[in-house]
Amino acid sequence: AQTVTQSQPEMSVQEAETVTLSCTYDTSESDYYLFWYKQPPSRQMILVIRQEAYKQQNATENRFSVNFQKAAKSFSLKISDSQLGDAAMYFCAYRSFDTGNQFYFGTGTSLTVIP
Amino acid sequence: ETGVTQTPRHLVMGMTNKKSLKCEQHLGHNAMYWYKQSAKKPLELMFVYSLEERVENNSVPSRFSPECPNSSHLFLHLHTLQPEDSALYLCASSQGLGETQYFGPGTRLLVL
Repeated sequence: AQTVTQSQPEMSVQEAETVTLSCTYDTSESDYYLFWYKQPPSRQMILVIRQEAYKQQNATENRFSVNFQKAAKSFSLKISDSQLGDAAMYFCAYRSFDTGNQFYFGTGTSLTVIP
Repeated sequence: ETGVTQTPRHLVMGMTNKKSLKCEQHLGHNAMYWYKQSAKKPLELMFVYSLEERVENNSVPSRFSPECPNSSHLFLHLHTLQPEDSALYLCASSQGLGETQYFGPGTRLLVL
């Protein structure tokens, strides 16, 4: 089964600075989706960004961008100009095409933004 | 109501109780999901429904019974749960299987 690893249980960043959250995954598939989700203290999980594996270009969404390294099976999230509202748990997720409709999530990284 | 809603938000039940969790999506999606979220563990996908038919059941104990009467509603019926079933239960929906999921706020379940 695919696994998703987030090696940083906790991270902190100064407001207005940049932070990078790491995610690696294990797979033998060539086609898949990758996601970053954000879960603020209110608990509603929100999509941050999505990357299709067949696309070489890294996805960006305003202050959020990814560094997708397919060969290295790495999918890190960069948050630029961090804001207080960015404080949350961030989950990396993998969507498999070969093993049915399975989604695999990492254990999450808790991000603190320091004013 | 917009997005994905879940009721109740909090639930405390004994091991012999029967209760149901409800999820409703207002996004016109055709796939719905149940997840279990426990502390310091990855989100666990429990059930997947597409067009009201169950397409995935990830070896979930029979004390959890899902029901999807239509594409907008999803239930999780609970009976004779164990304390280790205490967790946050999240519902999600998507337009198409495997596409971007939109999550509800979750039901925090405590089994005594």
